[in-house]
Amino acid sequence: KNEVEQSPQNLTAQEGEFITINCSYSVGISALHWLQQHPGGGIVSLFMLSSGKKKHGRLIATINIQEKHSSLHITASHPRDSAVYICAAISGATNKLIFGTGTLLAVQP
Amino acid sequence: DGGITQSPKYLFRKEGQNVTLSCEQNLNHDAMYWYRQDPGQGLRLIYYSQIVNDFQKGDIAEGYSVSREKKESFPLTVTSAQKNPTAFYLCASSIGGSDTGELFFGEGSRLTVL
Repeated sequence: KNEVEQSPQNLTAQEGEFITINCSYSVGISALHWLQQHPGGGIVSLFMLSSGKKKHGRLIATINIQEKHSSLHITASHPRDSAVYICAAISGATNKLIFGTGTLLAVQP
Repeated sequence: DGGITQSPKYLFRKEGQNVTLSCEQNLNHDAMYWYRQDPGQGLRLIYYSQIVNDFQKGDIAEGYSVSREKKESFPLTVTSAQKNPTAFYLCASSIGGSDTGELFFGEGSRLTVL
């Protein structure tokens, strides 16, 4: 079992829908990153959070340290949101990143 | 604009050849990382460097080598000892460690061994 699990693995949505991607982890962490990987392969950092909630535009990230769970929400989804979304937890023991396998999101017009 | 530049974007190699992937950043970041991405798997750490002239092995360092002679440069050599080198390679950097702030990634280099 991976130390960082994402669900779903694949997600197809219609434009305008509210989207939730989940990330659960089994190790102690100091913080967690949400990343977006474009079809060409480049990765962009969306959020780093260690508690509570962060919002940037239509993106919202939440984390519950006690439940070892984080979510990424996209409001009013758009085809340009189509990408792979990756969560990466920072191990509290080693300070190294542990990556999930990603969620492939396709938003259809 | 500040960022990370990886080259080449695509690279083909014959078995038995060493290849070097370039990673340059102009963000003045101390920490730099090399990751490997394979289908269906999360990114795996190959090597990382937190300061010039120092680097540490990651989880899958066998068959790879790096150098950090300059702050802005962290090249990765894939040697002939790497048994399964075909993969997508990503370079990243951060101001300090990965827990100190935003991570910046390059566009990646796709290596195919023929």
